Amino acid sequence: DILMTQSPSSMSVSLGDTVSITCHASQGISSNIGWLQQKPGKSFKGLIYHGTNLEDGVPSRFSGSGSGADYSLTISSLESEDFADYYCVQYAQFPRTFGGGTKLEIK
Amino acid sequence: EVKLEESGGGLVQPGGSMKLSCVASGFTFSNYWMNWVRQSPEKGLEWVAEIRLKSNNYATHYAESVKGRFTISRDDSKSSVYLQMNNLRAEDTGIYYCTRDGYDYWGQGTTLTVSS
Repeated sequence: DILMTQSPSSMSVSLGDTVSITCHASQGISSNIGWLQQKPGKSFKGLIYHGTNLEDGVPSRFSGSGSGADYSLTISSLESEDFADYYCVQYAQFPRTFGGGTKLEIK
Repeated sequence: EVKLEESGGGLVQPGGSMKLSCVASGFTFSNYWMNWVRQSPEKGLEWVAEIRLKSNNYATHYAESVKGRFTISRDDSKSSVYLQMNNLRAEDTGIYYCTRDGYDYWGQGTTLTVSS
């Protein structure tokens, strides 16, 4: 199985900050990675697919980058609605596997 | 608007069975692979199963932990995907989500508790 190591597990940040969340795969995944957002008590929403592509309706302050085994989600100019949990998921290989999540908290 | 709505969760005893359903709307269901994913505090997010299209002969894939116990199926005429779960174990407890291929849209989840 491909292990997705996500970091950090939590971040305390301020409105307007720029943050980056990383996922390291235990092997190369050729950009077959997505990023998800989960707000408290809510379900999930896809933000990024294939490493760099923004899902429809997702604000342009979200961006994805990376290659090989290392990928990042960057959120620029944090807004109040961005304080949530974020996860990566790889779909290069079965079983699909998820990162452990990153909780963004207000400082 | 894309919507996925799960149903069928609840409390079941170990060794029991349960069937989850997910009805989709707002997109051409028959064109998309569909997945079940579960979430628990102990294991985090865990992919459970995937089903592909009629053109793929409805090929399925399963997590090792559920293989032989769970069956994913779909009815394109009803825009629905199902998860039949047999021989349930305590470790199957969690919130079960259906999600479209690409993990862009998710349902609100249905909770399964396996306990005596």
